[in-house]
Amino acid sequence: GESVGLHLPTLSVQEGDNSIINCAYSNSASDYFIWYKQESGKGPQFIIDIRSNMDKRQGQRVTVLLNKTVKHLSLQIAATQPGDSAVYFCAESTGGGNKLTFGTGTQLKVEL
Amino acid sequence: EAGVAQSPRYKIIEKRQSVAFWCNPISGHATLYWYQQILGQGPKLLIQFQNNGVVDDSQLPKDRFSAERLKGVDSTLKIQPAKLEDSAVYLCASSATDNNSPLHFGNGTRLTVT
Repeated sequence: GESVGLHLPTLSVQEGDNSIINCAYSNSASDYFIWYKQESGKGPQFIIDIRSNMDKRQGQRVTVLLNKTVKHLSLQIAATQPGDSAVYFCAESTGGGNKLTFGTGTQLKVEL
Repeated sequence: EAGVAQSPRYKIIEKRQSVAFWCNPISGHATLYWYQQILGQGPKLLIQFQNNGVVDDSQLPKDRFSAERLKGVDSTLKIQPAKLEDSAVYLCASSATDNNSPLHFGNGTRLTVT
């Protein structure tokens, strides 16, 4: 299928290494943040979310860090696997609602 | 649980023609969204429904786009007439609530306008 990753920033990592994908947001009023994974030809898949009253949240092999001071969000993937290859989007919303604004995305490529 | 279902999977039309997309959300999800994703970009919200009412359609080009969710379950998005710049993937998503709950997306309809 046609890639959603054309013209996107690319991060290449070796299988087994840790990956860090970064996202900057501009709205200081944003209070809910989500990371999505999108594989070619599929819709975005929820990975992990975090609310603004937290600065770290962990899931299975993933950790999200939120730095509200510099309006920065990161997604850390431990022991990256070939199946992690995809485009990753951060998204934010304001005021407790679900109107998400998506970032431009990062293409993660896992090299064997 | 079954995911968000969308059809058709692909659609090719000529400019000035009309097209409709269908979405069936996850059972029990009151909130439904339509997003447009242009190649290489993140999804952009077109319209949000809560049950059968519109919550936000501020970014919907109302001169050519329309959407409905008459019975508060499935939804259709229509474009009439289509323009070349409407070529994109149209994603439907649903969430259990409209308050800080993750959106679950379907696989989208890829529209090509020639």
